[in-house]
Amino acid sequence: LAKTTQPISMDSYEGQEVNITCSHNNIATNDYITWYQQFPSQGPRFIIQGYKTKVTNEVASLFIPADRKSSTLSLPRVSLSDTAVYYCLVAAGGGADGLTFGKGTHLIIQP
Amino acid sequence: GAVVSQHPSWVICKSGTSVKIECRSLDFQATTMFWYRQFPKQSLMLMATSNEGSKATYEQGVEKDKFLINHASLTLSTLTVTSAHPEDSSFYICSAPRDPAGYEQYFGPGTRLTVT
Repeated sequence: LAKTTQPISMDSYEGQEVNITCSHNNIATNDYITWYQQFPSQGPRFIIQGYKTKVTNEVASLFIPADRKSSTLSLPRVSLSDTAVYYCLVAAGGGADGLTFGKGTHLIIQP
Repeated sequence: GAVVSQHPSWVICKSGTSVKIECRSLDFQATTMFWYRQFPKQSLMLMATSNEGSKATYEQGVEKDKFLINHASLTLSTLTVTSAHPEDSSFYICSAPRDPAGYEQYFGPGTRLTVT
């Protein structure tokens, strides 16, 4: 499994755009990149997934460069409720495999 | 989206007793479910894969005789912590893929276990 590296923590302010970058230098050809969000004492929640280029949904965008060795989760106009831990995962196993979580990024949004 | 529930949401038990945690997929069938453990301020760690109709597979270092997993139906997996000790106190979370060919996992809300 490709190992991921993310910043341990980040701070931002309400209304700002937040970009969290994840490094995955050993990503394999059939690996997808997935981001999850976790609030304290809750299970993780799927945010977004991509393979290459850019993916956008109603809550976030995911930017993946051509070499796929990194990815950036972009959260537009964050609010206090976006304070959470964000995990970047790289995996190819689909639903048949359990997930390997790294340390994640603790994002703190201030007023 | 798909919903996965867990019961109980929290439990306190005495050392030496056993505790059962249920994980249910409410609006889809799951032939595979996964169990994770999360200690305070740490990441999730995969414990085992629960397979409907067959034995669970455990990650290295997880005692299968201590953490009994039963996947008796396509919507229910149970994790029983046997002879619990204070070091088993943790946050236990299950997940299931709605589509085995897909990549999105749906996580339960977690169960907080405290062993006194």
